[in-house]
Amino acid sequence: EPEVTQTPSHQVTQMGQEVILRCVPISNHLYFYWYRQILGQKVEFLVSFYNNEISEKSEIFDDQFSVERPDGSNFTLKIRSTKLEDSAMYFCASRAQTANTGELFFGEGSRLTVL
Amino acid sequence: AQSVAQPEDQVNVAEGNPLTVKCTYSVSGNPYLFWYVQYPNRGLQFLLKYITGDNLVKGSYGFEAEFNKSQTSFHLKKPSALVSDSALYFCAVRVLNNAGNMLTFGGGTRLMVKP
Repeated sequence: EPEVTQTPSHQVTQMGQEVILRCVPISNHLYFYWYRQILGQKVEFLVSFYNNEISEKSEIFDDQFSVERPDGSNFTLKIRSTKLEDSAMYFCASRAQTANTGELFFGEGSRLTVL
Repeated sequence: AQSVAQPEDQVNVAEGNPLTVKCTYSVSGNPYLFWYVQYPNRGLQFLLKYITGDNLVKGSYGFEAEFNKSQTSFHLKKPSALVSDSALYFCAVRVLNNAGNMLTFGGGTRLMVKP
């Protein structure tokens, strides 16, 4: 069964450092998302991406965040200068273009710890 | 704006008993409703969805959910709980005309099934 894969599974970084989280969505999917989950809290929407551009973003997704699809398979989330409050589990998700009513498929997540 | 409420942080049920995990939503427009399950240190797994048609939808692992438009609810149910059902359950909503098609999640409900 096709799945969304994310790397790294866990990253520890110092405050102020840049972090790139990587995702390989399901191959025939064309809508991509990043969500985050701070420990013990709800799953929060960050950004959606379609046709090589951001289609929607939340207030959390400020200038410190960026997304990119550098090639035909990877979808990355960059945090330019990490803050302590960026510590969370980050989930990538994808959705098939033809399934407007379709569910999102999530990866296993990347746990980011900012010290 | 769209929102989802899961009024119970935790639901405890004995194995073999029926379970209900509650969800109410608020949207302007026709809702698409979803349930996801999260096992410890794992990503979100899709359980079921309501798009249109029959108000009772059936999903994975014997779960079902009932859409009630008048009460704006989408409660998750299972006739006979298993210990292995113990996990964190998230209700989510998306609106048809939402450009980014983002999912908005509830705060989650922890289901504990005791032997």
